[in-house]
Amino acid sequence: QVQLQQSGAELMKPGASMKISCKASGYTFSSYWIEWVKQRPGHGLEWIGDLLPGSGNSNYNEKFKGKATLTADTSSNTAYMQLSSLTSEDSAVYYCARDDGYFDVWGAGTTVTVSS
Amino acid sequence: QIVLTQSPAIMSASPGEKVTITCSASSSVSYMHWFQQKPGTSPKLWIYSTSNLASGVPARFSGSGSGTSYSLTISRMEAEDAATYYCQQRTNYPWTFGGGTKLEIK
Repeated sequence: QVQLQQSGAELMKPGASMKISCKASGYTFSSYWIEWVKQRPGHGLEWIGDLLPGSGNSNYNEKFKGKATLTADTSSNTAYMQLSSLTSEDSAVYYCARDDGYFDVWGAGTTVTVSS
Repeated sequence: QIVLTQSPAIMSASPGEKVTITCSASSSVSYMHWFQQKPGTSPKLWIYSTSNLASGVPARFSGSGSGTSYSLTISRMEAEDAATYYCQQRTNYPWTFGGGTKLEIK
């Protein structure tokens, strides 16, 4: 079955960078866009950007340009999101999702806490 | 970007009651998708392309709409339907979500 397995929770210092992983299984990884979504309490769901692993093509929400960088490794069927210059505003749960014309399968989420 | 406005933001319904959640788009969109999220879990695709139920979604749910106005309806509320529901447009980048409707059981 289609699954997306995300990396575990992280506690980070302000100013640091980090990378979240999203390992896909059960489908042809290179053929489907991977979407990334941020969720903070009281802020609903925010779309960060997406990437097509087979081509490397990506799109970003303007709000997250310079903050998030999306990449993928087709040899390991893993998508990555790097977050840079972390601040308290980056404390959130981050989800990856497969896009089949709609976000049909979601990872369990990665909780990022930024604190000194 | 296309702004999606959901109403109401919070509501409660009794078992058996009909529930309607609306999603208004600032510009016309081709389809609307809906997600259900329960506390501590990731969102689940619930209704896709306006009116298609995702796998496993009970038939008491339905979706409708076009252009700038969409809705999710529960014909008869059940306790398990208590959750937050989000609409989402995937017509124009950036993809956007509504602010969510928290549905509680009375």
